[in-house]
Amino acid sequence: DVKVTQSSRYLVKRTGEKVFLECVQDMDHENMFWYRQDPGLGLRLIYFSYDVKMKEKGDIPEGYSVSREKKERFSLILESASTNQTSMYLCASSSRFQETQYFGPGTRLLVL
Amino acid sequence: SQKIEQNSEALNIQEGKTATLTCNYTNYSPAYLQWYRQDPGRGPVFLLLIRENEKEKRKERLKVTFDTTLKQSLFHITASQPADSATYLCALDITGGGNKLTFGTGTQLKVEL
Repeated sequence: DVKVTQSSRYLVKRTGEKVFLECVQDMDHENMFWYRQDPGLGLRLIYFSYDVKMKEKGDIPEGYSVSREKKERFSLILESASTNQTSMYLCASSSRFQETQYFGPGTRLLVL
Repeated sequence: SQKIEQNSEALNIQEGKTATLTCNYTNYSPAYLQWYRQDPGRGPVFLLLIRENEKEKRKERLKVTFDTTLKQSLFHITASQPADSATYLCALDITGGGNKLTFGTGTQLKVEL
């Protein structure tokens, strides 16, 4: 069964902290994605990666960076967390040959 | 850029009725369109995909239509049940490669007894 896991379900951080969100998939998928979801705004793509060490900016990359050192793992980094980065963060993966995206359970991040 | 519009108002229907959700998009037609279900506090789950050359797709009680002239997709749940209550998202991609899906904000469906 397809599985995407995220390191934390809930996270509370302080303004200015460096935050790491980890995502792991066990399906040998080439593509991985980070979204944030906010009420009324829907899912917005932050970054995606279509191969190890490759990354592309999504629609809202400002304030974020990513790392993909291994195929199964895609990390989202908030260099200096700010209150406007309080949100639900969702990771997803997909095969190069299939259009469906598989999502993790999400991480609800609160920045105080 | 591509915009997707889904009815932001919640849809309340009675058990056993057919629920119909709408997804409208602007600009160019996508190579395909997808529908996802999202329960509170969880990630979206894929339901159906329909391609630009398909008019209709079915899966059990679910049916999706795709009208590229109207730039609209309709998502139907027949014989709806309380367990169908969730938020339904449509998403589209113009590249055909599964990258950079654009999601609508979703429509919340509540099926009442």
